[in-house]
Amino acid sequence: DGGITQSPKYLFRKEGQNVTLSCEQNLNHDAMYWYRQDPGQGLRLIYYSQIVNDFQKGDIAEGYSVSREKKESFPLTVTSAQKNPTAFYLCASSKAGEMGGHTDTQYFGPGTRLTVL
Amino acid sequence: SQQGEEDPQALSIQEGENATMNCSYKTSINNLQWYRQNSGRGLVHLILIRSNEREKHSGRLRVTLDTSKKSSSLLITASRAADTASYFCATVIYSGAGSYQLTFGKGTKLSVIP
Repeated sequence: DGGITQSPKYLFRKEGQNVTLSCEQNLNHDAMYWYRQDPGQGLRLIYYSQIVNDFQKGDIAEGYSVSREKKESFPLTVTSAQKNPTAFYLCASSKAGEMGGHTDTQYFGPGTRLTVL
Repeated sequence: SQQGEEDPQALSIQEGENATMNCSYKTSINNLQWYRQNSGRGLVHLILIRSNEREKHSGRLRVTLDTSKKSSSLLITASRAADTASYFCATVIYSGAGSYQLTFGKGTKLSVIP
């Protein structure tokens, strides 16, 4: 899991509530990512950020929001607009800069399992 | 959309045997990576192979890449019970302006029986 922490490990939410998942990294990486994983599925990209104060939508951004006020932190808010939020959420980070090799490698946190009651 | 598709979806072998997983993709890539995920945990990067490389080794891992067939394989030799995990391939496509897109497949679930 390297230098990326996610909290909490398990999170329960009532329908209609917003919840925020924490992601912190001490790897001095510029880029950070949020993925969603459903059972038996691969990872789908929700949002990513390549630099502080900037972020881009991924493939499934609807119902989610993010902020990137600090290099180390990339919190994800699951809003009430997300119709089916129960899933395993993974945060990752990578170095920015010259492409073509190790900088493309992503380092993952341990994940947060969100369950809507 | 899924770029990489792993095959098989699940694989069960005896300890000591070799395990081979395949990944096929649809469009040209810049590099391909393999990741491992233990149940309920985050992913761990295993190996990266560039589009101009054909084979790479790392310990008991051997990865091949055939860009003409748009496919890659991951071979784990002399498997151990601790290799039990899901294995994902991820394709990397550079999208300009210093950014890239990394797309994961659905994974192969490997079970190594002691």
